[in-house]
Amino acid sequence: EVKLVESGGGLVQPGRSLRLSCTGSGFIFGDYAIYWVRQAPGKGLEWVGFIRSQAYGGTTEYAASVKGNFSISRNDSKRIAYLQMNSLKTEDTAVYFCTRGGGDYGDGDFWGQGTLVTVSP
Amino acid sequence: SYELTQPSSVSVSPGQTARITCSGDVVAKRYTQWFQQKPGQAPVLVIYKDSERPSGIPERFSGSSSGTTVTLTISGAQVEDEADYYCYSAALNNVLFGGGTKLTVL
Repeated sequence: EVKLVESGGGLVQPGRSLRLSCTGSGFIFGDYAIYWVRQAPGKGLEWVGFIRSQAYGGTTEYAASVKGNFSISRNDSKRIAYLQMNSLKTEDTAVYFCTRGGGDYGDGDFWGQGTLVTVSP
Repeated sequence: SYELTQPSSVSVSPGQTARITCSGDVVAKRYTQWFQQKPGQAPVLVIYKDSERPSGIPERFSGSSSGTTVTLTISGAQVEDEADYYCYSAALNNVLFGGGTKLTVL
């Protein structure tokens, strides 16, 4: 069974950092791109960024709203992708989901349940 | 324009056909996915590559594409289909979600 599990969310003060993890199981983790998507309270889905598989260079892309402050990395041997969030702002408050891309159904065929990040003084 | 535009809401009675559109220049060039999201839950892929249905998704869900508009159709909508629906498309180094459509079935 394919599973993605996010962890690492919580309450953090503005300007601080937080690292989220996305752990995969039930599939060959290294074969897939991993996407991070967030959803602010009562709002729609917003793409944060993604990391390609090593077969495609393991390179990253980011939304303009987070570029320079957020970074994504992966450790395929541990089956984990990370979202490092620096200089957090109150507007980064959201549920953060990870999902995979590049499978037979394209992007977003399986999602984690999300982890809540609250940025507040 | 590099954005995806959806109606904010669609309402149908049970058994009727619901159609949700998604418009943008990118959909004419790239495949579109559709996601269903119910309150407090993660999104679920209901249509991929414009018109394909993943295994386990009911046949009443279908997708089509014409020019710069893609359409998610739910034929004979059920009460359990009430949810938010998002279209999605990706270019080489950028990803877009539509703003989402709240489907009400009552």
